[in-house]
Amino acid sequence: AQSVTQLGSHVSVSEGALVLLRCNYSSSVPPYLFWYVQYPNQGLQLLLKYTTGATLVKGINGFEAEFKKSETSFHLTKPSAHMSDAAEYFCAVSDASNFGNEKLTFGTGTRLTIIP
Amino acid sequence: GAVVSQHPSWVICKSGTSVKIECRSLDFQATTMFWYRQFPKQSLMLMATSNEGSKATYEQGVEKDKFLINHASLTLSTLTVTSAHPEDSSFYICSAINSAGIYEQFFGPGTRLTVL
Repeated sequence: AQSVTQLGSHVSVSEGALVLLRCNYSSSVPPYLFWYVQYPNQGLQLLLKYTTGATLVKGINGFEAEFKKSETSFHLTKPSAHMSDAAEYFCAVSDASNFGNEKLTFGTGTRLTIIP
Repeated sequence: GAVVSQHPSWVICKSGTSVKIECRSLDFQATTMFWYRQFPKQSLMLMATSNEGSKATYEQGVEKDKFLINHASLTLSTLTVTSAHPEDSSFYICSAINSAGIYEQFFGPGTRLTVL
């Protein structure tokens, strides 16, 4: 079984400040890890993903995340927040060994607010 | 590329009626599609996995007879909420995996269902 824990349901940062959204996972098999962003009344957009290889992955809109196996973490960061970053962010995990049936398990989400 | 559409984007219906939601992959073929349900300010909960040409696989606790899923072609899956009741009101999101894809689900924009 897999699970995802996102610490902090709400995070507020000032415009221009560092964004850090935390995600820890639990998986009995090598995981694939994802971060998605959701704007109000819209579907999910993939920000970035880790499958194999380099543990620091870069995504769209200046976001990046680092896979740390020893800490079972996949925290999302952005050096400088923009107003347009205000949204709901979801961390998700899938079973890398289950090719063709990649069910995603989502965390509960973190609402990011940007303070002008 | 990799666009997934949903129709309708929102629907209001009376209690006891049935509602059909379509999920289409517009520019790729999807042997596997997923249906999620999202309550306000909560995470996505997987309802079922839809496989082209075969019966859907439902998650534990999801009523098969209540939520009928049909995946008749490589670009279309439908979710029918039968005899809808107010508690079925929710945001329904589908996703699709490119048949030639690599561990990424592409999400539709969602359908908001309100049952009066």
